[in-house]
Amino acid sequence: EAAVTQSPRNKVAVTGGKVTLSCNQTNNHNNMYWYRQDTGHGLRLIHYSYGAGSTEKGDIPDGYKASRPSQENFSLILELATPSQTSVYFCASGGGGSYEQYFGPGTRLTVL
Amino acid sequence: GEQVEQRPPHLSVREGDSAIIICTYTDSATAYFSWYKQEAGAGLQLLMSVLSNVDRKEEQGLTVLLNKKDKRLSLNLTAAHPGDSAVYFCAVSLMPNYNVLYFGSGTKLTVEP
Repeated sequence: EAAVTQSPRNKVAVTGGKVTLSCNQTNNHNNMYWYRQDTGHGLRLIHYSYGAGSTEKGDIPDGYKASRPSQENFSLILELATPSQTSVYFCASGGGGSYEQYFGPGTRLTVL
Repeated sequence: GEQVEQRPPHLSVREGDSAIIICTYTDSATAYFSWYKQEAGAGLQLLMSVLSNVDRKEEQGLTVLLNKKDKRLSLNLTAAHPGDSAVYFCAVSLMPNYNVLYFGSGTKLTVEP
């Protein structure tokens, strides 16, 4: 069974609209992460969380908010989506005494 | 911040040959090193990871070498097969915040029969 799931898998949004990407993990990991992947770049960290109620800024947090309402769920929120946020977004979980991170299948977001 | 360079961006080998991917990093506080595989349309799959006290690790046809003096990390796929065709990424993190992974830009490996 997939331990990190993301929804939706594909999303088309309009410029200026609000977008929420959701992530759920069944690994019982404390830490969760949001990355974006663009052509020519590896993954870049947007926000991460150490546990329910916590969010931390990663390398590229501008234009994004995050929410961690529970151990299992971590959301990425684009309040005012822009075309530059068109990308593939990956969620990951990690922790439990290990530095390893385990990734979800990704969400392809297109902002028109 | 940390800068990770990965090469080559594209690599094509024949089945049974070795494939070597190299990453270099800049920060001497880099302490955790990992390699991921991404198949088309999928998420990233962790292949192997090492801490800075390990110079070499082998598992199931994969060898990770770490040269801390040169700040270089490599992944060697011995006897590659078509199922190894994918994009490979290195990812590193620094002390004390191991949570923040810095990724290389990826290597697209094609293994031809």
